[in-house]
Amino acid sequence: QVQLVESGGGLVKPGGSLRLSCAASGFTFSDYYMSWIRQAPGKGLEWVSYISSSGSTIYYADSVKGRFTISRDNAKNSLYLQMNSLRAEDTAVYYCARVAAAAGYYFDYWGQGTLVTVSS
Amino acid sequence: EIVMTQSPATLSVSPGERATLSCRASQSVSSNLAWYQQKPGQAPRLLIYGASTRATGIPARFSGSGSGTEFTLTISSLQSEDFAVYYCQQYNNRGTFGQGTKVEIK
Repeated sequence: QVQLVESGGGLVKPGGSLRLSCAASGFTFSDYYMSWIRQAPGKGLEWVSYISSSGSTIYYADSVKGRFTISRDNAKNSLYLQMNSLRAEDTAVYYCARVAAAAGYYFDYWGQGTLVTVSS
Repeated sequence: EIVMTQSPATLSVSPGERATLSCRASQSVSSNLAWYQQKPGQAPRLLIYGASTRATGIPARFSGSGSGTEFTLTISSLQSEDFAVYYCQQYNNRGTFGQGTKVEIK
């Protein structure tokens, strides 16, 4: 069965950096676009970034552009999110999600999430 | 950026009753609209994509309709496990979510 397991969250000071990882299993990872979505405490969902199956196409939300970098290693079935210059407003649960189809960027499987807290 | 607006923010419904949730896009998203269900402490679950196609394993009491800028999620007869927060998401241009509708027990 499809499994997505995030890791790497934690407490970081404003201006700091953190790298999130997502380990995928149960499907052919290299065939699928992947994405990061976040949810601030008690708030709604915010799409953060997409990456194509090969890694050649990448999109970011304006709120993270220039600070966050999405990447993937298809040989390791892993997705990453490098987060730099972190701000208090980046505090959220970060979900890794599989994009259901290249023709439509909606999400059919989600990980359980990893909490990132940005605070001094 | 396409803004998605959901209404109402909270919907109080008795078990067995019908629930109707609305989602409006600030510009046309064609039929590129998905609905998700999220329960406390859990990740969201895909319910509907393409505005009206149920995802695998989703019960028939969930139905979606609409196109362009106006969309509706209907739960025909609410079960206890359906009380949750529901989000719409457009994927016509990148991906933006609505702010959610909480369906609570009346």
